[in-house]
Amino acid sequence: EPEVTQTPSHQVTQMGQEVILRCVPISNHLYFYWYRQILGQKVEFLVSFYNNEISEKSEIFDDQFSVERPDGSNFTLKIRSTKLEDSAMYFCASSEEFSGGNIQYFGAGTRLSVL
Amino acid sequence: AQKITQTQPGMFVQEKEAVTLDCTYDTSDPSYGLFWYKQPSSGEMIFLIYQGSYDQQNATEGRYSLNFQKARKSANLVISASQLGDSAMYFCAMRSGAGSYQLTFGKGTKLSVIP
Repeated sequence: EPEVTQTPSHQVTQMGQEVILRCVPISNHLYFYWYRQILGQKVEFLVSFYNNEISEKSEIFDDQFSVERPDGSNFTLKIRSTKLEDSAMYFCASSEEFSGGNIQYFGAGTRLSVL
Repeated sequence: AQKITQTQPGMFVQEKEAVTLDCTYDTSDPSYGLFWYKQPSSGEMIFLIYQGSYDQQNATEGRYSLNFQKARKSANLVISASQLGDSAMYFCAMRSGAGSYQLTFGKGTKLSVIP
């Protein structure tokens, strides 16, 4: 069964460093998303991406964040200068062209720890 | 603004019994979708079931069914014949707004299945 793959599963970084979280969406999906979940809290939307551009973003997704689809299979989230409060689980998701609800399938997540 | 409310932080159910997890939502958009996701202790987000606002029948997927009461703005998840592997966090989520695919999540309900 096709699945969304995220790497690494756990990333530890120092405050102020740049991190890149990687995702391989399901191959025939056209919409891609990043969400985050701070420990013990609800899942929050960050950004959606379609046709090589951002289609929606939340107020959390400020200038320190960026997304890219560098090679037609990977989808990345870059955090330019990490802060302690960026520590969270980051989920990538993908969905097909809008039909039957545009169901989003999630990866297993990357746990980011900022020290 | 869209909002999802899950009022049960934790629930217990005896193995093989049925359990209902509550979810109420708020949106002014006539077109919306409601989703349930399962998050085991390992952390991944697993899609369970979807209900569209215009769907006439309640959604079912195996042991999962969605009790959709539009007038009450509720979308409760019913799990029949609970299994030990059903122990997890369960999140209700909504997509609404024309052209918007972002999901808004509730705070979740932690379900514990007792042998």
